[in-house]
Amino acid sequence: QVQLQEAGPRLVRPSQTLSLTCTVSGGSITSGGYHWTWFRQPAGKGLEWIGHVFTSGTTDSNPSLKSRVTISLYTPWNQFSLTLDSVTAADTAMYYCATRTGGRPFDYWGQGTLVTVSS
Amino acid sequence: EIVLTQSPGTLSLSPGERATLSCRASQSFAGNYLAWYQQKPGQPPRLLIYGASNRATGVPDRFSGSGSGTDFTLTITRLEPEDFAVYYCQHYNESPLPFGGGSKVEIK
Repeated sequence: QVQLQEAGPRLVRPSQTLSLTCTVSGGSITSGGYHWTWFRQPAGKGLEWIGHVFTSGTTDSNPSLKSRVTISLYTPWNQFSLTLDSVTAADTAMYYCATRTGGRPFDYWGQGTLVTVSS
Repeated sequence: EIVLTQSPGTLSLSPGERATLSCRASQSFAGNYLAWYQQKPGQPPRLLIYGASNRATGVPDRFSGSGSGTDFTLTITRLEPEDFAVYYCQHYNESPLPFGGGSKVEIK
């Protein structure tokens, strides 16, 4: 059973970079076919796909965020990461990491971490 | 880009009643790559239904999904106290993997 846990700063200043990691347990991040994915959800609002990285290192991200998003694998630590540049208050949200295999929806989710953008 | 619209926004029902939630897509998509999730306060989404009508592992059979093309439905036949939550549909095949805006099932 794959388990995921987000970690990172809870407070980020406007115009700075948001950085989060997701630690994977119960499975290897190098296992083929997985989409290691980030979502976010502002308080009281719906879910938004941020992007994903495949085992190969290939990435894709939401066009609305693409210019500011980087998602990477850290295979020695069985982690993947999210960086979001030039944040504003609109980036304040609960951030979730999740995973799936190709053709399936998202079976596995972290508990989420709340990131607030504020000076 | 596919847009998903859920209705109603809020459904007020009593335990034991039937809930019917709708998810409408702005365009038809092949393969029925439509999922339903349940989310409770302070928790991540929980996968209930995939492929429009397949229950995920461990999901009670009072939950069922149906539909194809652009119109999809999640039905909860007899609401249990633990079913009061927000429900989201998601198309999970094409970027940006959109979600609907959610339907809240609240206790009447």
